[in-house]
Amino acid sequence: GENVEQHPSTLSVQEGDSAVIKCTYSDSASNYFPWYKQELGKRPQLIIDIRSNVGEKKDQRIAVTLNKTAKHFSLHITETQPEDSAVYFCAASYGNQFYFGTGTSLTVIP
Amino acid sequence: DAGITQSPRYKITETGRQVTLMCHQTWSHSYMFWYRQDLGHGLRLIYYSAAADITDKGEVPDGYVVSRSKTENFPLTLESATRSQTSVYFCASSDQGTQGTEAFFGQGTRLTVV
Repeated sequence: GENVEQHPSTLSVQEGDSAVIKCTYSDSASNYFPWYKQELGKRPQLIIDIRSNVGEKKDQRIAVTLNKTAKHFSLHITETQPEDSAVYFCAASYGNQFYFGTGTSLTVIP
Repeated sequence: DAGITQSPRYKITETGRQVTLMCHQTWSHSYMFWYRQDLGHGLRLIYYSAAADITDKGEVPDGYVVSRSKTENFPLTLESATRSQTSVYFCASSDQGTQGTEAFFGQGTRLTVV
């Protein structure tokens, strides 16, 4: 199966700074890479996703990049705000399964 | 209510007891998934279903049983609960499985086995 590694496990940034979370995956057959945000005590919710035929995707302050050759993808959040504080999970699809990273706890300090 | 709902939200059970977690979705999504969330492990897939009467194992299926007699329901049963099954359980559904469509999560069930 697939193996997804996510770094860092915790990240603290000052409000207004950028945050970057990185993930690697092991199987080149994986073709869809969603990112989920989970606020404390709540369900994970999709914030952005990217397919394997695309190198970068942006949605306002959030962007995801994918390097298929190196098998890694990253989440970039610019101009961070306190409401960005949450746990972020990357995932890779393989067959009929999503394989998730272990999560990054992001804290934005006002 | 539209969406995906889980019940109960919280459950405490004793070791050795059978317990069933319920999941119901109103979108008629083909795919449904059960994950467990543990600190340091992220979300790990227990079982998934591609359609009614079709189920398959995920990463950590041991000790769990699922069924899907109707498209909208996907119950998860712990046949004989153990302390290691203390976790937060999330059900999810998606229209096309993992092929480029969003998975929607339920609100989770926090299960404690004592």
